[in-house]
Amino acid sequence: DAKTTQPTSMDCAEGRAANLPCNHSTISGNEYVYWYRQIHSQGPQYIIHGLKNNETNEMASLIITEDRKSSTLILPHATLRDTAVYYCIVRVLIQGAQKLVFGQGTRLTINP
Amino acid sequence: DVKVTQSSRYLVKRTGEKVFLECVQDMDHENMFWYRQDPGLGLRLIYFSYDVKMKEKGDIPEGYSVSREKKERFSLILESASTNQTSMYLCASSSPGAWGTDQETQYFGPGTRLLVL
Repeated sequence: DAKTTQPTSMDCAEGRAANLPCNHSTISGNEYVYWYRQIHSQGPQYIIHGLKNNETNEMASLIITEDRKSSTLILPHATLRDTAVYYCIVRVLIQGAQKLVFGQGTRLTINP
Repeated sequence: DVKVTQSSRYLVKRTGEKVFLECVQDMDHENMFWYRQDPGLGLRLIYFSYDVKMKEKGDIPEGYSVSREKKERFSLILESASTNQTSMYLCASSSPGAWGTDQETQYFGPGTRLLVL
């Protein structure tokens, strides 16, 4: 019941910007978009989240379209350590707590 | 920084054993979660807790139980381990967002890779 769609895999050259797209066409007005990544054999790591304005932190930037039906995660200067599976998530609220429905994500490979 | 720790990174148990997976968070979070992750199936929610001594079933609670005696600690229990419980187990914690907002970030531990023989 994932509510987002992402490309299965992407490649990016080291030092270049990595742009990861995500479609969330059924998002409702008060739902945030979350991005996590998972490096092999580790737990998911929170990257960034946003509602409708673009957001930036020390890890990445998040660009959300005006209609909020899609977003793009930008890693401005990708390094080899950014190789991971990236998940775009719109959470579902159940019984007072959020449920993160992780889809298959995008496997991002940074090439030297 | 939020820190979520899990008692073991790797664990090997035999079928029928009782298994305890421990999770501790140091950020005074109200909510805690247990997931399992399997290839091709993504993360699946087993149980979660939004307060001490409270627990709610997730999507796949069968074969598992949980305990939350203290706010910072959430334990997952496999009463009688079976081979189909071989998996990566992930614990997470979060605090509710401000009233009227939908934001609530979950922070994950490093995971415990359990092998049941």
